[in-house]
Amino acid sequence: QSVLTQPPSASGTPGQRVTISCSGSRSNIGSHAVNWYHQLPGTAPKLLIFNSHQRPSGVPDRFSGSKSGTSASLAISGLQSEDEAGYYCATWDDSLNGWVFGGGTKLTVL
Amino acid sequence: EVQLVESGGGLVQSGGSLRVSCAASGFIFSSYGMSWVRQAPGKGLEWISYVSSGGSAIYYADSVKGRFTISRDNGKNSVYLQMNSLRDEDTAVYYCARVVAEVTSGALEKWFDPWGQGTQVTVSS
Repeated sequence: QSVLTQPPSASGTPGQRVTISCSGSRSNIGSHAVNWYHQLPGTAPKLLIFNSHQRPSGVPDRFSGSKSGTSASLAISGLQSEDEAGYYCATWDDSLNGWVFGGGTKLTVL
Repeated sequence: EVQLVESGGGLVQSGGSLRVSCAASGFIFSSYGMSWVRQAPGKGLEWISYVSSGGSAIYYADSVKGRFTISRDNGKNSVYLQMNSLRDEDTAVYYCARVVAEVTSGALEKWFDPWGQGTQVTVSS
């Protein structure tokens, strides 16, 4: 069982907006920024959002992140077929002295 | 171009040992911490170890503490993971990742970017 809780699946149709939640506790999300990674099938994860809401260069502004208290969320607007991937939230945990990940959310574009 | 290339994975018997390596290029390796993250078949990501830029700070996940050892050679731009007493549940793709750190709102925040392509480790009983 993962320290951070994500829904195992999410779906939407092209053009739609979807959000993926990530719930934690005071020692992780409550104390640190959240990062999001996405993973296309059979490939390595890639950074999608860092510092809870910042996008690396090259990531379209269709992707946005937010954090409030001990929860965070990733929003994807204008959904595209190539967005079909696994999405993981992660952050540092002060109690565990290490990084913790969510269990991952598999996004399906219908 | 920043690049991380893992190697050394393979098939090993339960209780055996294996060392995986990660060669870095395209950035000043000695300025960054490095981590290993693994992914079991059909499962999510699990962070397992971190070494600071100079090697003085090392952390492990409880699942591998006492069995795995992370190290780095800044002269060779490489980070290693020595895995001993391997178990079936250690079967996974092992990724190395550069740790990027930044002070944000008074806190030191860190994230993984980029990741290597991964190396498969299979433990067979």
